[in-house]
Amino acid sequence: QAGLTQPPSVSKGLRQTATLTCTGNSNNVGDQGAAWLQQHQGHPPKLLSYRNNNRPSGISERLSASRSGNTASLTITGLQPEDEADYYCSAWDRSLNAWVFGGGTKLTVL
Amino acid sequence: EVQLVESGGGLIQPGGSLRLSCGASGFTFSSYAMKWVRQAPGKGLEWVSYINSSNIPIHYADSVKGRFTTSRDNAKNSLFLQMNSLRDEDTAVYYCVTDLFADWGQGTLVTVSS
Repeated sequence: QAGLTQPPSVSKGLRQTATLTCTGNSNNVGDQGAAWLQQHQGHPPKLLSYRNNNRPSGISERLSASRSGNTASLTITGLQPEDEADYYCSAWDRSLNAWVFGGGTKLTVL
Repeated sequence: EVQLVESGGGLIQPGGSLRLSCGASGFTFSSYAMKWVRQAPGKGLEWVSYINSSNIPIHYADSVKGRFTTSRDNAKNSLFLQMNSLRDEDTAVYYCVTDLFADWGQGTLVTVSS
């Protein structure tokens, strides 16, 4: 099943802003948006946002999600060392009847 | 507090079968759709299956369709994944996940190798 497209890596400086992207099509991201997950090495993923900018309780306000057409974005402001992690997007694909994931973006905080 | 505890992983030869279980607590399990998601060593996340709260519908990734079966026992707050005809490429940590990816277990490692 075709997946979503994420850049493999993004590097930004401490306290800077990083924007991660996730590109799909009208059957997945363009339909109901995407969920964003954060995964630190050796730990299960953690939900950051679902269906664009719905943040679970406890998720920092420094994180915000949005969508424009078939591309979802996750913006993290005031980067901190603990933001260094792998980030995945996922969406339901109505034509495939399947959940699809992006390949993940490794965020490095310099 | 939501808790998801997977079990049943281990080392299995190609062509063999395993049954994974996930025990749920801290929420009304019978009201929630559930997913299985896996992650091969050093790789990204891959969705495996989805089961609605009432058992219908159930969806599978193409990579496991016809070999894996997802089921649930709402009376016992449990989710299952029956894996048959296992292949090397099924080697992964398997996670039990609530709908919308809100809650994850710690995962159970399945290693398919001769």
